Amino acid sequence: GQSLEQPSEVTAVEGAIVQINCTYQTSGFYGLSWYQQHDGGAPTFLSYNALDGLEETGRFSSFLSRSDSYGYLLLQELQMKDSASYFCANPSGGYQKVTFGTGTKLQVIP
Amino acid sequence: NAGVTQTPKFRVLKTGQSMTLLCAQDMNHEYMYWYRQDPGMGLRLIHYSVGEGTTAKGEVPDGYNVSRLKKQNFLLGLESAAPSQTSVYFCASTKSGSNEQFFGPGTRLTVL
Repeated sequence: GQSLEQPSEVTAVEGAIVQINCTYQTSGFYGLSWYQQHDGGAPTFLSYNALDGLEETGRFSSFLSRSDSYGYLLLQELQMKDSASYFCANPSGGYQKVTFGTGTKLQVIP
Repeated sequence: NAGVTQTPKFRVLKTGQSMTLLCAQDMNHEYMYWYRQDPGMGLRLIHYSVGEGTTAKGEVPDGYNVSRLKKQNFLLGLESAAPSQTSVYFCASTKSGSNEQFFGPGTRLTVL
């Protein structure tokens, strides 16, 4: 089976750095994706880690450690517009099926 | 390009009624998916398709049927709606070999 666990809520201050963790237990693992979803909106793709290490895309970075079954999304220079839910996801079976984590609601405060 | 579109955006049904949700994509993607999202929960896969004429069950398929007669369209049917199917339904598509899923705007369904 597949399960991806995330903290349910995180609060951080505008301009700060926040890390959103994801731990997983899967029978088959191809990598870890991250999606952002604003209230009332659709999920949008942020990043994908196939290999261990850090991937950087602007203010957002994503990290993966296969040996620890763990990954995280790092958001720097937080802005109010970053307030949203963030989901980790595990593509499996050759990308044919994707399992999403429980989601973390990030609130950025002034 | 419109990307992924869903019809309708909102719908209210009575228990026992049937309906079909339509998903269309204009990106020539091979894979298409139907998810449901309930408050405080992540996305749960209902059914998916890896190509025209092919469908498969996801994590929560009971009470739903799907069809993919054309590559660009993926239909989700509820034969006899139940209050437990009240949810927001998202369709998504992916190009073969890609990790990025493109989502539609969602359909908010209420079953009374």
